[in-house]
Amino acid sequence: AQSVTQLDSHVSVSEGTPVLLRCNYSSSYSPSLFWYVQHPNKGLQLLLKYTSAATLVKGINGFEAEFKKSETSFHLTKPSAHMSDAAEYFCVVSEETSYDKVIFGPGTSLSVIP
Amino acid sequence: DVKVTQSSRYLVKRTGEKVFLECVQDMDHENMFWYRQDPGLGLRLIYFSYDVKMKEKGDIPEGYSVSREKKERFSLILESASTNQTSMYLCASSWGLAGSTDTQYFGPGTRLTVL
Repeated sequence: AQSVTQLDSHVSVSEGTPVLLRCNYSSSYSPSLFWYVQHPNKGLQLLLKYTSAATLVKGINGFEAEFKKSETSFHLTKPSAHMSDAAEYFCVVSEETSYDKVIFGPGTSLSVIP
Repeated sequence: DVKVTQSSRYLVKRTGEKVFLECVQDMDHENMFWYRQDPGLGLRLIYFSYDVKMKEKGDIPEGYSVSREKKERFSLILESASTNQTSMYLCASSWGLAGSTDTQYFGPGTRLTVL
């Protein structure tokens, strides 16, 4: 069965320092993995996705994530946080086996301190 | 740019009322979804539709129904609203199936409060 764990419910970083948001998944098949971001009072927007091509995936706004099959992880990173990065981040796993196999993680709230 | 719009940003209803949440997408996507978002639980799928007049239950369909009479429009219906349905409701659309690699495009959400 699929599942997604986001290891931190809240992360706080100083502006200009690196960001690390952790995600671990379990999946019976080769999964697709996504990171979505939700700014306050907005809908979710795709940051990046992994679909069995390159294991290091680059997304929008300087974010990237690395798929590590051996560790079942898909952590999101950014070298230097910006104030505009403050938002909720969701890790998502999807399997191409049936309609309803999309699982959202509980989310990680990122705060950026000036 | 894909645009997904939801009829209301904020809605307040009373227990027992029938509630309609409307969602419209402008990209001719085949698939549309309704989620509810609650703190600490992430997003949970209520219903989705892969074609006009077609629907499938998601993880938490109880207390909800849906309607898709036109490709661009997907409605979520609370037949008799209850306080435990107070939540943020998000609509999404995509080209591909829910279990595919396709990106889902989300509306801004409707925050529903049931008193």
